[in-house]
Amino acid sequence: DAKTTQPPSMDCAEGRAANLPCNHSTISGNEYVYWYRQIHSQGPQYIIHGLKNNETNEMASLIITEDRKSSTLILPHATLRDTAVYYCQGVIMNYGGSQGNLIFGKGTKLSVKP
Amino acid sequence: DAGVTQSPTHLIKTRGQQVTLRCSPISGHKSVSWYQQVLGQGPQFIFQYYEKEERGRGNFPDRFSARQFPNYSSELNVNALLLGDSALYLCASSLAGLGYGYTFGSGTRLTVV
Repeated sequence: DAKTTQPPSMDCAEGRAANLPCNHSTISGNEYVYWYRQIHSQGPQYIIHGLKNNETNEMASLIITEDRKSSTLILPHATLRDTAVYYCQGVIMNYGGSQGNLIFGKGTKLSVKP
Repeated sequence: DAGVTQSPTHLIKTRGQQVTLRCSPISGHKSVSWYQQVLGQGPQFIFQYYEKEERGRGNFPDRFSARQFPNYSSELNVNALLLGDSALYLCASSLAGLGYGYTFGSGTRLTVV
């Protein structure tokens, strides 16, 4: 599994875009980039994932560089409820297509301020 | 639909005791994983089960064991509890198929005294 590096903390003003970077320079060709977040005292929540192409869903956008060595999670209009610890990781799919185990690092603590 | 349910939500045990934690995945999810989260750290992978077979094991001692039942629910057992086993234990389930993320339960808070 790829080792990932994220800034320990970031601040964002409410209503502005939050751009969370992740470095995964050792990611292998068959590893997907997954993002989760954990709001205080809750279980982690899946956000988005991608392999090569940029992805967008109702929660966020994921931008993966062409060399796949880094990615950025974008929350387009951050709200106070987006305050959480955000984790990125490289995940290999198991045989049969189920997601492999997650290796959580320290993540980025995002604080959205009014 | 019900999410991933874990029981109990909280419990207190004494050093040396044994504990069993339970997890019911989302209906139709065949993959269940267990994670331990110590205060202030990210979750650490313990076990993954898929179709009732162990598919992965993290760096935890043999005091930790798990199993998955025919209905895909799962139990995590920890023997000879140590103070350091105090943590939030998280269960996550996933729908088999390319690219699905895990859905986590709210966890069981275990305190060992």
